[in-house]
Amino acid sequence: DAGITQSPRHKVTETGTPVTLRCHQTENHRYMYWYRQDPGHGLRLIHYSYGVKDTDKGEVSDGYSVSRSKTEDFLLTLESATSSQTSVYFCAISESSGSNEQFFGPGTRLTVL
Amino acid sequence: DQQVKQNSPSLSVQEGRISILNCDYTNSMFDYFLWYKKYPAEGPTFLISISSIKDKNEDGRFTVFLNKSAKHLSLHIVPSQPGDSAVYFCAASPNNAGNMLTFGGGTRLMVKP
Repeated sequence: DAGITQSPRHKVTETGTPVTLRCHQTENHRYMYWYRQDPGHGLRLIHYSYGVKDTDKGEVSDGYSVSRSKTEDFLLTLESATSSQTSVYFCAISESSGSNEQFFGPGTRLTVL
Repeated sequence: DQQVKQNSPSLSVQEGRISILNCDYTNSMFDYFLWYKKYPAEGPTFLISISSIKDKNEDGRFTVFLNKSAKHLSLHIVPSQPGDSAVYFCAASPNNAGNMLTFGGGTRLMVKP
C-alpha cells in the first residue's frame, strides 16, 4: 500500500469553527489531491497540488483552502465550517510520470453540527 | 452536470455469476478510464484501467470494456465472489490534464453466497 496517512480520522466540530485536515505521504509523489465523498456524488475534487507551494482549485473549492509547504504534507482548511461540509474527505497522491492512477488515504469523517 | 455517470446505484449478484457494472461519460476529451473499489471505512483502491486506444483490458477476474462511440465503459467480474462486495467507482481523465480524475457516483455491488 502507498504510504498515505490522514489525520484526524474522525472529527466533530461546530458551525463556524476552523478545521484543518492533514494528509501525509512517504512516497515522495509530486501530485496530491483532496476529495470529498458524498452519497450519489462519488468523489469530487476540492483542491490539488502539483508541487511544493503549487496548488489549484478543483470542482468544489468554495469554502476550502489548502497549503503545501513540504512535499510530504498537504493541508486542507475549512476557515469557517458549515453543515454542508459534513462529509468524508480523502487525500490522494500520484506520480508525475504520466500514470493516471491515484492512491488514496483512509479518509477523514468530518461532522459539522 | 455530471460528466461521468453510474446509473445503477446498486447491484446484487449470486456468487459465481458475472457482475457487470456500467459507466457512461459525456466529455469526449476523456481518454483514460479507471475503476476503483472501495470497502467501508477505507479509501478507494485502484482496480483496473483502460486507455482510449484499446477497447478491452483484462486482469484476472476483472475485464474492462470501452465503447468510445457510445461513450460507455463496463467492468465485468467473473466469477463474482463475496469479497467483491464493495462500492465501485469509475473515473475518467482527459488527455490534456495530467493526472486529473473525474469520478462517477459509484455502484454498490453485493455478491450473495
